[in-house]
Amino acid sequence: EIVLTQSPGTLSLSPGEGATLSCRASQSVSSSYLAWYQQKPGQAPRLLMYGASSRATGIPDRFSGSGSGTDFTLTISRLEPEDFAVYYCQQYGSSPLTFGGGTKVEIE
Amino acid sequence: EVQLVQSGAEVKKPGESLRISCKGSGYTFTSYWVGWVRQMPGKGLEWMGIIYPGDSDTRYSPSFQGQVTISADKSIRTAYLQWSSLRASDTAMYYCARSDSGVFSTFDFWGQGTLVTVSS
Repeated sequence: EIVLTQSPGTLSLSPGEGATLSCRASQSVSSSYLAWYQQKPGQAPRLLMYGASSRATGIPDRFSGSGSGTDFTLTISRLEPEDFAVYYCQQYGSSPLTFGGGTKVEIE
Repeated sequence: EVQLVQSGAEVKKPGESLRISCKGSGYTFTSYWVGWVRQMPGKGLEWMGIIYPGDSDTRYSPSFQGQVTISADKSIRTAYLQWSSLRASDTAMYYCARSDSGVFSTFDFWGQGTLVTVSS
């Protein structure tokens, strides 16, 4: 099973600042099958990114993803108030599919 | 519009059985895998397993194999997650979600979640 480790656990930032979230895999993620989800309190997760760097439908371009192999990054260029949430990475290249533990982006 | 609508919150006692449901609409239900994801209180997401309603092909995470049963009734466009004997540790929010393309894919649409509380 591929273990995904996200860091930092919590990111305290102000609106307008940039955010960089990390996801490290215990072994290589095949074909960059790495996704990112956003979850707000009381809501289901929402798909943000797939294939490490492709935005899902309707996701604004302030969100970008990069990486390959075992190291992946989600970048939010300028935080909007609605971006404060928990972010999870997921690998879907091998079974069982696994999620990281999450990074909470909170308002400083 | 693609929608996954889950059954309501449940409160059960340890040892009881339970089946929760997830009804799909707005797409061809038999052509997409439907997965289940657990989120324990204050914790992260865990992939439990997935089913293809077209032929009921089912895959489980080793962590959940033998602990739950995933099934589907394509005639009523509904997937299920069931327990034969609940434990307090099964207390969690459970989400169903549509897999975009196959077992090894992202979840592009999610249900609203079903909160299961197991307490004596």
